[in-house]
Amino acid sequence: DILMTQSPLSLPVTPGEPASISCTSSQSLLHSNGHNFLVWYLHKPGQSPQLLIYLGSNRAAGVPDRFSASGSGTDFTLKINRVEAEDLGVYFCMQSLQTPYTFGQGTKLEI
Amino acid sequence: QVQLQESGPGLVKPSETLSLTCTVSGDSISNFFWTWIRQPPGKGLEWIGHIYHSGGATHNPSLRGRVDMSVDKSKSQFSLKLRSVTAADTAVYYCARWAGWIDFWGLGILVSVSS
Repeated sequence: DILMTQSPLSLPVTPGEPASISCTSSQSLLHSNGHNFLVWYLHKPGQSPQLLIYLGSNRAAGVPDRFSASGSGTDFTLKINRVEAEDLGVYFCMQSLQTPYTFGQGTKLEI
Repeated sequence: QVQLQESGPGLVKPSETLSLTCTVSGDSISNFFWTWIRQPPGKGLEWIGHIYHSGGATHNPSLRGRVDMSVDKSKSQFSLKLRSVTAADTAVYYCARWAGWIDFWGLGILVSVSS
């Protein structure tokens, strides 16, 4: 199984300041088609997890452009340009390259 | 907007079968893969498996063949059965849509395994 490791696990933030979360995989997520099969989600309390980023760096529909993601192979980063109060929750990454699909432990973004 | 809603018993006895249903609205179930994920208390997310609308399924080998999944197109539902449960199967169970990655999730349902 591909092991997904996130850091930090807890990220205190100040509204208006940037934030960055790292996700590392034990195997390359770069497919021969040139896409990285890495996905980012945000799980807000009391809500369903929501898709933020797919294929490593593509924002999902409706996701604000303050969210960006980068990386390739085994190292990936999610960045929030300027954190807003509504961004608080647990961020997690997932590899969708091969079964069993696996998840990072989650990073709790909190004030 | 696609919506998914899990339903089923919140309490299952050890050695019995956990049965959950996911109702899909806002899109046809006759496309995509339909997925189950779970999260035990205090632990990380685990992919259980997914099933195509036509019935082909793949599940996590870690569950050692205890999983059955099915689709009922007439009801826009898909289902999970997990046999011979133990306390280790206590978790929040999520259903979701797979489109190359999960794009929509349900709210999740807590299922406890206890006598």
